Amino acid sequence: QLQLQESGPGLVKPSETLSLTCTVSGGSISRSSYYWGWIRQSPGKGLEWIGSIYYSGSTYQNPSLRRRLTMSVDTSKNQFSLKLRSVTAADTAIYYCARDGATIYGFDVWGQGTTVTVSS
Amino acid sequence: QSVLTQPPSVSGAPGQRVTIACTGSTSNIGAGYDVHWYQQFPGTAPKLLIYGNINRPSGVPDRFSGSKSGTSASLAITGLQAEDEGDYYCQSYDSSLSGSKVFGGGTKLTVL
Repeated sequence: QLQLQESGPGLVKPSETLSLTCTVSGGSISRSSYYWGWIRQSPGKGLEWIGSIYYSGSTYQNPSLRRRLTMSVDTSKNQFSLKLRSVTAADTAIYYCARDGATIYGFDVWGQGTTVTVSS
Repeated sequence: QSVLTQPPSVSGAPGQRVTIACTGSTSNIGAGYDVHWYQQFPGTAPKLLIYGNINRPSGVPDRFSGSKSGTSASLAITGLQAEDEGDYYCQSYDSSLSGSKVFGGGTKLTVL
């Protein structure tokens, strides 16, 4: 059974870089036809797609976050990661990683989420 | 504001049928992009409920159904149960502004 688990610091200072990793177990991240995505949810708010990456390293990202965002994949570790630079309090959220079935299948497997707070 | 518009809340009594609308535009739902629906309970991750407009993943009861027409989509829940109470989100793809996956603002379902 495919499982995803987010990891990373729970507290980041303003203007610094938020770094998270998602570890995939129970299946290979290199399986074709799926991307691997990040979604966040600000406190008491709705869901916002951050970006998605293919095992080859190809990405597509939310235009509103693109200039601050770097995504990467490590197939040897079955992991993918995100770095969000120059964070502010507005980046405080629960960050989820999920398997992205592109436009046809939606996000069909989710991690449990990790809370990131931006504060000095 | 979200690119996809949902009612903030809906409610219904046990056993009733409720629907949740998701209104988009010609750059997302109206452009033919599929709509997906997610169910979320407090403190938990969203769960895929409907994909590709009308399809249910394995394990999702047939009380849940999806439809799409023009620039809108809809989630219907029949035989409402207390455990259905939670938040529901629609999601699609928007081709404007370099393209982006977009979510609706979410609908809080209350079972009376």
